[in-house]
Amino acid sequence: NAGVMQNPRHLVRRRGQEARLRCSPMKGHSHVYWYRQLPEEGLKFMVYLQKENIIDESGMPKERFSAEFPKEGPSILRIQQVVRGDSAAYFCASSPLNRPADTQYFGPGTRLTVL
Amino acid sequence: AQSVTQLDSHVSVSEGTPVLLRCNYSSSYSPSLFWYVQHPNKGLQLLLKYTSAATLVKGINGFEAEFKKSETSFHLTKPSAHMSDAAEYFCVVSDRNTGNQFYFGTGTSLTVIP
Repeated sequence: NAGVMQNPRHLVRRRGQEARLRCSPMKGHSHVYWYRQLPEEGLKFMVYLQKENIIDESGMPKERFSAEFPKEGPSILRIQQVVRGDSAAYFCASSPLNRPADTQYFGPGTRLTVL
Repeated sequence: AQSVTQLDSHVSVSEGTPVLLRCNYSSSYSPSLFWYVQHPNKGLQLLLKYTSAATLVKGINGFEAEFKKSETSFHLTKPSAHMSDAAEYFCVVSDRNTGNQFYFGTGTSLTVIP
């Protein structure tokens, strides 16, 4: 059973470009979470999605950031017009059930560098 | 509101000696608590979790943690450190009844000295 997959593992963008980060949850998992880890800090919650639904986006910046989890295919975290402050590691996690505080299984992360 | 405080940002121990990584939490509700480990440039691996059963929780690689409600603590311990334990450790709290968000501490970097 493959774990949570994220790609790319490393992404370099220039200021003003768009970044697209992909996450495929573990098989059988229908709940996806995105977190951001800034240097020397812990992970901060961004958004929680189920298939075709955003359940909680209270941690998402109001502008430039969006997320989706379509019926088919991976979850996408999209950052438009990236700035240097967006440089961070972005982690995706998944869980199997609609059960609060269930264990979340994390992917290896995408490390975004904005030049 | 929920939050986690990891009291030490860096801990150094000699190989073969005990490990103690401290974590205090704040939660308005019944908490679930987790410890995750992150090796350099890798993802996070679950070490152990506490939901509502036994207060002493055993995890992988010889780690364990004890939930102490009176002290709002969930410290991580291991009797004997191994070189492969060198990594970043995160304490995490979530609301057991309603929470889907995980709240992470700022992490403790463990160094194991040969």
